Amino acid sequence: DAKTTQPPSMDCAEGRAANLPCNHSTISGNEYVYWYRQIHSQGPQYIIHGLKNNETNEMASLIITEDRKSSTLILPHATLRDTAVYYCIVRVKGGNQFYFGTGTSLTVIP
Amino acid sequence: GAGVSQSPSNKVTEKGKDVELRCDPISGHTALYWYRQSLGQGLEFLIYFQGNSAPDKSGLPSDRFSAERTGGSVSTLTIQRTQQEDSAVYLCASFRGGQGFSDTQYFGPGTRLTVL
Repeated sequence: DAKTTQPPSMDCAEGRAANLPCNHSTISGNEYVYWYRQIHSQGPQYIIHGLKNNETNEMASLIITEDRKSSTLILPHATLRDTAVYYCIVRVKGGNQFYFGTGTSLTVIP
Repeated sequence: GAGVSQSPSNKVTEKGKDVELRCDPISGHTALYWYRQSLGQGLEFLIYFQGNSAPDKSGLPSDRFSAERTGGSVSTLTIQRTQQEDSAVYLCASFRGGQGFSDTQYFGPGTRLTVL
């Protein structure tokens, strides 16, 4: 099972882009990369996912390296409400388990 | 539509007592997960149900933990003879399942269990 590695914490100034990295060097060919976030005292919330192409939705952008060994979640204009723990997850090949990484605690600073 | 709901939202119990935690998944979702999150920690996978298949129990920490899913919908996580180390937030998540790898999970608000 592919594991993920994330920095434990990051700060970002309000209004600036937040770039959250994730390493998943053992990811398999058909495993997707998912990002979730967890705001304090709430259940995790889905943000975005991708296989190999870059993806963008109303919440964020996901940049996946060509070798797929790492990815970056981009929040283009961080707000105070984006302060949360961000989890990078890969989906196990042939199965349905989601293994949550350690997560990055993002603090958006006014 | 309604999201994933869990009850109770908070549960305080004494060491050695049994507890039952309930999860109501989104209607039509065939897959259901239970996770545990201790204070300041990430999510720990416990058990996974998919349709009528045998559940994946590989994450259950001991035989004091069990879960069932009745009628392919509501799920109950039971912890017998609770210990203080069982104190955590127990999260339930569901997704449609069977429609490809890209399906996402939808989480409930969790049950905060405190064992005194």
